[in-house]
Amino acid sequence: AQTVTQSQPEMSVQEAETVTLSCTYDTSENNYYLFWYKQPPSRQMILVIRQEAYKQQNATENRFSVNFQKAAKSFSLKISDSQLGDTAMYFCAFMAGGGAQKLVFGQGTRLTINP
Amino acid sequence: GAGVSQSPSNKVTEKGKDVELRCDPISGHTALYWYRQSLGQGLEFLIYFQGNSAPDKSGLPSDRFSAERTGGSVSTLTIQRTQQEDSAVYLCASSPTGDRVDTQYFGPGTRLTVL
Repeated sequence: AQTVTQSQPEMSVQEAETVTLSCTYDTSENNYYLFWYKQPPSRQMILVIRQEAYKQQNATENRFSVNFQKAAKSFSLKISDSQLGDTAMYFCAFMAGGGAQKLVFGQGTRLTINP
Repeated sequence: GAGVSQSPSNKVTEKGKDVELRCDPISGHTALYWYRQSLGQGLEFLIYFQGNSAPDKSGLPSDRFSAERTGGSVSTLTIQRTQQEDSAVYLCASSPTGDRVDTQYFGPGTRLTVL
């Protein structure tokens, strides 16, 4: 069974700083996907970024980028120029390849951006 | 277009009563998923439907939980004889066909409180 671990329950940074959230996972699969989801107080889960395991290039979406280390089974999220609206719970998630599959989530990191 | 919608937004019930939670996926999405988010257990997969295939029920915690998907669209999650440990936020997600079948879009959730 796959597992996802987020070792930082809470993090806090000042606005405009860069912050990195950690995620490690365990799987015997070779084909899979990794995701970061954001959940603000509104409760809506919002997809932040997606990585296909067979792609060596790290995914980027505007201020959000990942450091995907397949051999180390590590998938960290970097948020540059952090904004107050980035305050939320962030969940790392794993999905095995081969079509529609369930997501396996980490425990989450509560990120607070301070003015 | 419209996102995933869920109803009700909040539900308070008494222990022992049955409840039904509804999910309307994004139009055209063939896969539909249910997850549960609770303080003690984090985000857990419950069940998913993919087209006309038999649903994957491997995450349902007990036989008090069941789900249906009618006409390949709307889904209802039913919890019979509710218990206090069923209190949680129930999240629904859907994903499209094609090369983004792995990407799940979430609804706002239903917060269930069992008194």
